Amino acid sequence: EVQLVESGGGLVKPGGSLKLSCATSGFNFSSYDMNWVRQAPGKGLEWVSSISGSSTDIYYADSLKGRFTISRDNAKNSIHLQMNILRAEDTAVYYCATREYIYSPLDYWGQGTLVTVSS
Amino acid sequence: DIVMTQSPDSLAVSLGERATIKCKSGQSVFYNSNNKNYLAWYQQKPGQPPKLLISWASTRESGVPDRFSGSGSGTDFTLTISSLQAEDVAVYYCQQYYSIPPLFGQGTKLEIK
Repeated sequence: EVQLVESGGGLVKPGGSLKLSCATSGFNFSSYDMNWVRQAPGKGLEWVSSISGSSTDIYYADSLKGRFTISRDNAKNSIHLQMNILRAEDTAVYYCATREYIYSPLDYWGQGTLVTVSS
Repeated sequence: DIVMTQSPDSLAVSLGERATIKCKSGQSVFYNSNNKNYLAWYQQKPGQPPKLLISWASTRESGVPDRFSGSGSGTDFTLTISSLQAEDVAVYYCQQYYSIPPLFGQGTKLEIK
């Protein structure tokens, strides 16, 4: 059974940093493209970032303007999202999700972790 | 970026009736070389993560009831629920994965009339 479990969310002040993690199991992790998708309270889904199985192809939403960094550890079947210079508009539930390759749908999702940016 | 626009934003349908949700992409998401539309539909129930329902515009995922169907090609797509059940109350999103960024539509909230 495929499992994705996010962690690391919480309350952070504007301008602060936070690192999210997603632990996975039940599939051949190193072969899969991994993604972060976020959802602000009461809003729709926003793709944030993706990383290929070998970490050679990394992409970000333009709106992040270089503040976020995605990484993966294939030995630990996990991915991370380092978020810096956080703003109120980054408040959201952050989901990790898998896809087989870059041009394929997001087939498995975690339950999400809530990040709240507030003073 | 390929912008995705869904209609309507919300929809109320009686139990057992048909529900239809539209999705339009800003440019074609059909890839000629493999004859596929790079379009997915997701269902998100309250308090849950999204769930992939349909990929490649019309391929139902394993375990998805056959009352759900996807159709369309190029820039215009439709998600149809043939006979609405109470458990289908959710927000539905389309997403293109033809190009980066893989944008989602704004969502359609489906309720029971």
